[in-house]
Order: sequence, then C-alpha cells, then structure tokens
Amino acid sequence: SQQGEEDPQALSIQEGENATMNCSYKTSINNLQWYRQNSGRGLVHLILIRSNEREKHSGRLRVTLDTSKKSSSLLITASRAADTASYFCATEPLQGGSEKLVFGKGTKLTVNP
Amino acid sequence: DAGVIQSPRHEVTEMGQEVTLRCKPISGHNSLFWYRQTMMRGLELLIYFNNNVPIDDSGMPEDRFSAKMPNASFSTLKIQPSEPRDSAVYFCASSLIAGGDTGELFFGEGSRLTVL
Repeated sequence: SQQGEEDPQALSIQEGENATMNCSYKTSINNLQWYRQNSGRGLVHLILIRSNEREKHSGRLRVTLDTSKKSSSLLITASRAADTASYFCATEPLQGGSEKLVFGKGTKLTVNP
Repeated sequence: DAGVIQSPRHEVTEMGQEVTLRCKPISGHNSLFWYRQTMMRGLELLIYFNNNVPIDDSGMPEDRFSAKMPNASFSTLKIQPSEPRDSAVYFCASSLIAGGDTGELFFGEGSRLTVL
C-alpha cells in the first residue's frame, strides 16, 4: 500500500495566509522529504527531516515529524501566489535507501492573490 | 549546473510504435531514477541505477519497458511496443548517495508521452 498520503488533496487560500499540509505514513522510516511541483514541471526538493528530528525550518517552511503518530506536516507561512503548486511527501522506509523512496499523491495548493 | 536534462519534453505517438526517452543526470551524481507520473497512480518508481548498474527494476510494468545506462552521463527508457495506457509523464531524477545516506533527488522537467 502507498506509504505517504497527503491531506488535504486540495487547498485554496488567500495570499498572506498560512498553508498547512499533512502527510501520514504506515511503516517506520529513516527520513521524510517534502517536494514541490509546479504545473508542468519536475519536482523540486524542499526539505528533509530525519526520524530523530521533530521540527525543521527553512525560510517560510516549517516541517514537523511525529513518528509515534506516523505523520508529518508542512507549514508555509505568509503564503504568496508563487507558492501555488502541488506538494508531495516522500518517505524512505527503515529497510531501504533512496530507491525505496515512496511518494504520496500530493496536495494541490492554490494561493489566490 | 544545467540540472537533469530530459528529452523529448513532449512525444505523441501511435500505438505499437517504439518510444525512447533520454536523460542526462547531473554530473557527479551516482544514482539515477526513472519515475512515471499519472493522475490515477501518482509517482511510481520504475527503475533505479547506482553507478550505472540497474539495482531495482521491480517497478518496470512489463517486458515492453527497458532501461539502460551505458555511462554515467546518459540513460534511456524505451517502450516497445507502446500502448495507450503508457501515456504519462516520465521523470528522470539523479542523486548523490554516499555512505548509505539518502540524498535529495533532483528531477528533470519530464517527458510527457501520449500514445494514441
């Protein structure tokens, strides 16, 4: 079964608001990564959080990881129209490396100007 | 660095034809991945190379699909014969994996394949 699943499937907000996307997974992991995909483009790596980390920041991005609940969240603060994209979580299971990275189906974020 | 380069960006072909997708990974990366993305199934790993050697091809749907990596700077994904259900966006990604540590994946812009 699919490892990472994002929630919600789609999110529409106004510019300046915060956007929160969630990811749940089923098995133990080494790390969890978040990627962004603009329409018609390839995926771009945003941030990686390891299983022994609980929170990580990068610019306007904040990622949390709760291994007891097998979930992660991506928070984008003060969103901009340019943040409009699909966001994917990808989990690397405990037994395996990058070749075992499993992507969810993504959250489609629309930021209205 | 130019990033991962894929060609063609778009391909429209008829059922039964051979399709070849090409990828040039980032120089210095030792791992290359081919993914397929569809609305229904999301992003699926097809095959993974490490140091030009295929490590895991369990995601290749069937014998109609084959992939090669003759050297560190070039890989191909071939579909022969193609079928309408192969229509998807195919992504190539590369990474530098050292000491068992996971590296971030760098994706190309994808090849959008339409099989009529």
